Amino acid sequence: DGGITQSPKYLFRKEGQNVTLSCEQNLNHDAMYWYRQDPGQGLRLIYYSQIVNDFQKGDIAEGYSVSREKKESFPLTVTSAQKNPTAFYLCASSVFVSGTPTEAFFGQGTRLTVV
Amino acid sequence: GEDVEQSLFLSVREGDSSVINCTYTDSSSTYLYWYKQEPGAGLQLLTYIFSNMDMKQDQRLTVLLNKKDKHLSLRIADTQTGDSAIYFCAERGSGGYNKLIFGAGTRLAVHP
Repeated sequence: DGGITQSPKYLFRKEGQNVTLSCEQNLNHDAMYWYRQDPGQGLRLIYYSQIVNDFQKGDIAEGYSVSREKKESFPLTVTSAQKNPTAFYLCASSVFVSGTPTEAFFGQGTRLTVV
Repeated sequence: GEDVEQSLFLSVREGDSSVINCTYTDSSSTYLYWYKQEPGAGLQLLTYIFSNMDMKQDQRLTVLLNKKDKHLSLRIADTQTGDSAIYFCAERGSGGYNKLIFGAGTRLAVHP
């Protein structure tokens, strides 16, 4: 079945460490996104990518990095520069039809906790 | 700027209708979405409406759009306990990369 897979589901990080969250999709979607969710808040966009080898900063990119070497994969690295990384991270993808983006499909999320 | 607002909590009795409201600010939004999130899970697209529509119905779900007031609502008929979740309203911003602007989510609690 087609879908978006995020791994791991739960991740623990020590302060000062970098960690990488995986996001893979087999929907053949061009665009991929990373969102952060905090309790009582909506989703905030971290990074997005419209095509392979291209990505743009979202609203809260500081302390994060991404790569888009393959269409199917959009990993997110949470660096030690991110001061408050504990959150629920959601990956999404969408496809452009005649230049118009469709709705976004989401993965099941990764909960990152700093210990 | 772009902003989406929702009330944070709604409690309904099983079998009643639920109405979740949302206001947005970007008058150029072309699509508005409703997503459902169950505990510990990702977001599931429930329905969406194009900005030139007033209403869209899909089984138990009815979406009403008042573009003049920038008000969007989601009505769930015959609400069931399985409908308990957080519901997010989102608008597609005027940027061309499908940036979705989300509200904070409305937690729907369904009780017997």
